[in-house]
Amino acid sequence: ETGVTQTPRLLVMGMTNKKSLKCEQHLGHNAMYWYKQSAKKPLELMFVYNFKEQTENNSVPSRFSPECPNSSHLFLHLHTLQPEDSALYLCASSPRTGDTDTQYFGPGTRLTVL
Amino acid sequence: RKEVEQDPGPFNVPEGATVAFNCTYSNSASQSFFWYRQDCRKEPKLLMSVYSSGNEDGRFTAQLNRASQYISLLIRDSKLSDSATYLCVVNRGGNNRLAFGKGNQVVVIP
Repeated sequence: ETGVTQTPRLLVMGMTNKKSLKCEQHLGHNAMYWYKQSAKKPLELMFVYNFKEQTENNSVPSRFSPECPNSSHLFLHLHTLQPEDSALYLCASSPRTGDTDTQYFGPGTRLTVL
Repeated sequence: RKEVEQDPGPFNVPEGATVAFNCTYSNSASQSFFWYRQDCRKEPKLLMSVYSSGNEDGRFTAQLNRASQYISLLIRDSKLSDSATYLCVVNRGGNNRLAFGKGNQVVVIP
């Protein structure tokens, strides 16, 4: 399935590096999301975008910087991360941000911070 | 109290048996409920939405108890391919914000 794609799939970076995660959805949706999934923890919502506008920032540290240039693309810019930021970062999209709109997830980027 | 609580298991289930598990949620104002399935090292995928009247999809049955604030999932005639983690998901309301449980890990044994 290629509804929501994410690149890279694997990323190893040092604490002083800057990198970006990319998400693209081919479903014609208008809402996009970033989630973090750490080992032994539930998925945590990070950001919500609706029609390119950020509508939710779930108290995410500023070393994570999202960007949504259009409804099909979502980026997560990373800088000066910490080892505890190592996790699976999942992007999702939905038609809108209605409470019954199903979210479709990408395969995720598995990030390791050394 | 956690927003969504699940017993992570694992639930070791003989092939062909029935397995059921619950999840509880803390926000009584929650309106939408879902079960997602997540295979090892893969992304979550919607298994089924959960409706107030309960709903069934093949071998899977979901129930919602608003009074006690829990959701259940029952899998009948378990198949090896049912081995996965089942995530209980509750919509917090507003901005389609989903709260996830840690998941119930199911291992179907031949």
